Amino acid sequence: DAGVIQSPRHEVTEMGQEVTLRCKPISGHDYLFWYRQTMMRGLELLIYFNNNVPIDDSGMPEDRFSAKMPNASFSTLKIQPSEPRDSAVYFCASSLSSGNNSPLHFGNGTRLTVT
Amino acid sequence: GNSVTQMEGPVTLSEEAFLTINCTYTATGYPSLFWYVQYPGEGLQLLLKATKADDKGSNKGFEATYRKETTSFHLEKGSVQVSDSAVYFCALKAGGGADGLTFGKGTHLIIQP
Repeated sequence: DAGVIQSPRHEVTEMGQEVTLRCKPISGHDYLFWYRQTMMRGLELLIYFNNNVPIDDSGMPEDRFSAKMPNASFSTLKIQPSEPRDSAVYFCASSLSSGNNSPLHFGNGTRLTVT
Repeated sequence: GNSVTQMEGPVTLSEEAFLTINCTYTATGYPSLFWYVQYPGEGLQLLLKATKADDKGSNKGFEATYRKETTSFHLEKGSVQVSDSAVYFCALKAGGGADGLTFGKGTHLIIQP
């Protein structure tokens, strides 16, 4: 199994530009999560999907952030327009179910730098 | 609400030293508890877990015991190696929903040869 695949690994962009982060979950996993990691706030859950449907987006910081999951094997997180304070590492994770015996599997993350 | 508190790092130890990383939690009900590890440039990986009081999770020489009376889940290893250098996250899952996973801020562990 290839694991959760994220792209790109690194993204450097200028303030005001649109940024799109991509994720391919593990095949067969019903849950997909987007997290943001910063030194100040640690790991924050932004949004999660169950069977491609967004369940809870209360962690999405602003309307500039949006996430989609058009099918079971692909999700995007978009920031438009981007700002320097969005600089962080963004992780995608998937899990088979919501039970305690179904751990989260994380991708290697996308390091976003907004200048 | 639910929260996880970990000792702040970095924690620097010599190879073969004994490791303890403290973790305490606040949660409603009876959460499940987890330790995740993040190696440089990678995502988090599940290290071990415990789903009820007095359970001991173990993996790769690491152990943690679910202590309900002290609301703690401290991570221990008897003899650390340089390859254990990483960031360790304590986490809890309260209730049955997938959104119940709450992470601590992480503890950076550095093992010197």
